[in-house]
Amino acid sequence: AQSVSQHNHHVILSEAASLELGCNYSYGGTVNLFWYVQYPGQHLQLLLKYFSGDPLVKGIKGFEAEFIKSKFSFNLRKPSVQWSDTAEYFCAVTGHNNAGNMLTFGGGTRLMVKP
Amino acid sequence: GAGVSQTPSNKVTEKGKYVELRCDPISGHTALYWYRQSLGQGPEFLIYFQGTGAADDSGLPNDRFFAVRPEGSVSTLKIQRTERGDSAVYLCASSFRQGGTSTQYFGPGTRLTVL
Repeated sequence: AQSVSQHNHHVILSEAASLELGCNYSYGGTVNLFWYVQYPGQHLQLLLKYFSGDPLVKGIKGFEAEFIKSKFSFNLRKPSVQWSDTAEYFCAVTGHNNAGNMLTFGGGTRLMVKP
Repeated sequence: GAGVSQTPSNKVTEKGKYVELRCDPISGHTALYWYRQSLGQGPEFLIYFQGTGAADDSGLPNDRFFAVRPEGSVSTLKIQRTERGDSAVYLCASSFRQGGTSTQYFGPGTRLTVL
């Protein structure tokens, strides 16, 4: 069975600080990887995704993530956070041979950016 | 275009009652997913439809939970004899196709509270 771990449950940063949120997954095959974001009062939105190719993926709002296969990791980064990045961030995985493409999510990381 | 919509946005019910939660996917999306998100956790897969048929219902917690998608568009999640432990946000997602490189788009969710 696949699983996803997000080790940081709560992160507090000041504006302009750099961000890195950890995501590790457990799966015995080729994976698709996602980061979703949920802003306060809003629904889950796709931030970025990795299917194949360049392991460094760029998403919306200046976010990027790097797939490191040897470490089973897909960490999310942003060089300089803004107050508007305050949200909850979810890492998710599905397997290439998972015909239904059901997502397995991590527990989420709640980010608070202080102005 | 319109995103995934879910009704009601909030549902409060008493233990033992029956509830129905509705999901309207993005037009043209053939795959539809239900997830459940308990407080402080990431979404967990419940059931997946490809067209009208439930292709995978392995995530349904027990036989009190049932979902239908009779015409391959709108889906209804039905919960019988609700229990306090059913309280959660129920999320619906849809995608253009199953598997491979499809991306799921989420609705705003229905917050179910069982008293």
